Amino acid sequence: DGGITQSPKYLFRKEGQNVTLSCEQNLNHDAMYWYRQDPGQGLRLIYYSQIVNDFQKGDIAEGYSVSREKKESFPLTVTSAQKNPTAFYLCASSIPAGRTDTQYFGPGTRLTVL
Amino acid sequence: RKEVEQDPGPFNVPEGATVAFNCTYSNSASQSFFWYRQDCRKEPKLLMSVYSSGNEDGRFTAQLNRASQYISLLIRDSKLSDSATYLCVVSRGSGNTGKLIFGQGTTLQVKP
Repeated sequence: DGGITQSPKYLFRKEGQNVTLSCEQNLNHDAMYWYRQDPGQGLRLIYYSQIVNDFQKGDIAEGYSVSREKKESFPLTVTSAQKNPTAFYLCASSIPAGRTDTQYFGPGTRLTVL
Repeated sequence: RKEVEQDPGPFNVPEGATVAFNCTYSNSASQSFFWYRQDCRKEPKLLMSVYSSGNEDGRFTAQLNRASQYISLLIRDSKLSDSATYLCVVSRGSGNTGKLIFGQGTTLQVKP
């Protein structure tokens, strides 16, 4: 079955630690996205990548980093510089690169900072 | 002004009712429009794209008014399973960036 997987589903982090959230897709999609969702708010774009080895900052990139070494994978690192990292993180993908098209989401990772 | 605005609700309706959600957007250059459904603590899932001529999918009807920058979603004969948050989603603009703007969502609770 084609789809997007994210791991872990739940993640707990101590203040000052970096953590990496995994996102993998086997849909052969070119574009991938990371969003953050806080209670009662819409999704906010953190980073996006339209092609391998290239990515751009979204609206709230500070305190986050990404890489896109493979088409299938777009991991997100939440660094200690992110002041309020507790949130629901969603990864999405779409085709083709460079067009606004339907985005499909993974099941998300809930990050809690202790 | 938010780029995409929705009435957060909640809308509490009985089974079988017809309910309508509205959404306004600020960027007149936006080209793509969608409604997504999000169940509690789950990921958003595409409900339907919205086309200029309006479109229907079973009990769901979406309308777009570009002049007023207004999108609507009508749900007829509501089912208990329709209870969810409905997200209005709009593309960033005419550029081909693939970037979308999400409204905060409208919560629907269908009661027996």
